[in-house]
Amino acid sequence: QSVLTQPPSASGTPGQRVTISCSGSDSNLGSNPVNWYQHLPGTAPKLLIYRSTQRPSGVPDRFSGSKSGTSASLAISGLQSEDEADYYCASWDDSLNGPVVFGGGTKLTVL
Amino acid sequence: EVQLVQSGAEVKKPGATVKISCKVSGYTFTDYFIHWVQQAPGKGLEWMGLVDPGDGETLYAGKFQGRVTISADTSIDTAYMEVSSLRSQDPAVYYCARSEGREGAFDVWGQGTVVTVSS
Repeated sequence: QSVLTQPPSASGTPGQRVTISCSGSDSNLGSNPVNWYQHLPGTAPKLLIYRSTQRPSGVPDRFSGSKSGTSASLAISGLQSEDEADYYCASWDDSLNGPVVFGGGTKLTVL
Repeated sequence: EVQLVQSGAEVKKPGATVKISCKVSGYTFTDYFIHWVQQAPGKGLEWMGLVDPGDGETLYAGKFQGRVTISADTSIDTAYMEVSSLRSQDPAVYYCARSEGREGAFDVWGQGTVVTVSS
């Protein structure tokens, strides 16, 4: 069982907006930023969002992140078929759970 | 171009030790931390530990403490992750990744190394 909680699956049709949630606790999301990664099978994970809301260069602005208290969200607007992947949230954890914790991952399906 | 290139797939017997390398290029090795992440078959990503190549300091997840050793060789810009006493739950893809600070995001990842444990 992962320290950060994500829904196991999400789906949407092309062009839609989908959000993926990530729930934690005071020791991780409550006191540290969240990072989001996109992982396509057989490839290296890719950083999508860092410090909760920042996009690395090259990541489309269709991807956005937010955090409030012990919860965070990744939003993908204008969904495209190539967005079908696994998405993971991660954060530093100040408790014995850490120090780095991942969510269990969300499988995004583009219908 | 920043790259982290990992060593190739490994097949080991139960009880053996595996050592995976992660050679970096395109940046100053000692300016970034190197982390190791495990993905077991059908499972999600799990953080294993990190090394600060600048001073060799390491930090491990509790689950891997004692059986995993992470190190760095600054003479050849390479980080290593060794798992000893391999057992049935160790088959996985292992990734290295870098972060600018100890708590920073993993902005560049290696391609992954598949480890199979089979008698």
